[in-house]
Amino acid sequence: ETGVTQTPRHLVMGMTNKKSLKCEQHLGHNAMYWYKQSAKKPLELMFVYSLEERVENNSVPSRFSPECPNSSHLFLHLHTLQPEDSALYLCASSQVRGRSPLHFGNGTRLTVT
Amino acid sequence: GENVEQHPSTLSVQEGDSAVIKCTYSDSASNYFPWYKQELGKRPQLIIDIRSNVGEKKDQRIAVTLNKTAKHFSLHITETQPEDSAVYFCAANLVDTDKLIFGTGTRLQVFP
Repeated sequence: ETGVTQTPRHLVMGMTNKKSLKCEQHLGHNAMYWYKQSAKKPLELMFVYSLEERVENNSVPSRFSPECPNSSHLFLHLHTLQPEDSALYLCASSQVRGRSPLHFGNGTRLTVT
Repeated sequence: GENVEQHPSTLSVQEGDSAVIKCTYSDSASNYFPWYKQELGKRPQLIIDIRSNVGEKKDQRIAVTLNKTAKHFSLHITETQPEDSAVYFCAANLVDTDKLIFGTGTRLQVFP
């Protein structure tokens, strides 16, 4: 039990599909994150929610849309993705934003065809 | 922009030898430096972290050193074992935005 649970573990979708990634944390943390992990690149921060308030990240394309209905749940809604969006998407949580350890989920391996 | 450089990108050592991974950061205000280990097919996990009020921290075979003047920090693994084989990521925080910036990772292979 990692404390941070992500579903699904694997997802294959076409460029015209709409899908959602789900993340749930059972640690009582105040901050939740979406990261993108691609081969030979640093972990890229996509979105941060702190106390359910979103911290904007202007470099993320609008085809990625986050949602945080409460402090334990985080979603990433996907639509009209591109093949270059194929990657491992990791959810994480921490007690304090930016200054305490991140607890990662197992990730969703996304393939866009 | 602010970034974290990590070297080497790959590192191969014999079991029992030591391994050292180095990171350099650009934001002089950074005050939190975690290290994560990611085994193949698994999630990254924190192995050790250090804050700017100390210069060194040790946990069994793992140690981290911080040089704030030079803006670099290093991970030291002694008496390496095959199960230490993984990708290691360093990170540093950006104080004004509370973001963690990650290095590009080091793939460590420990040969028996």
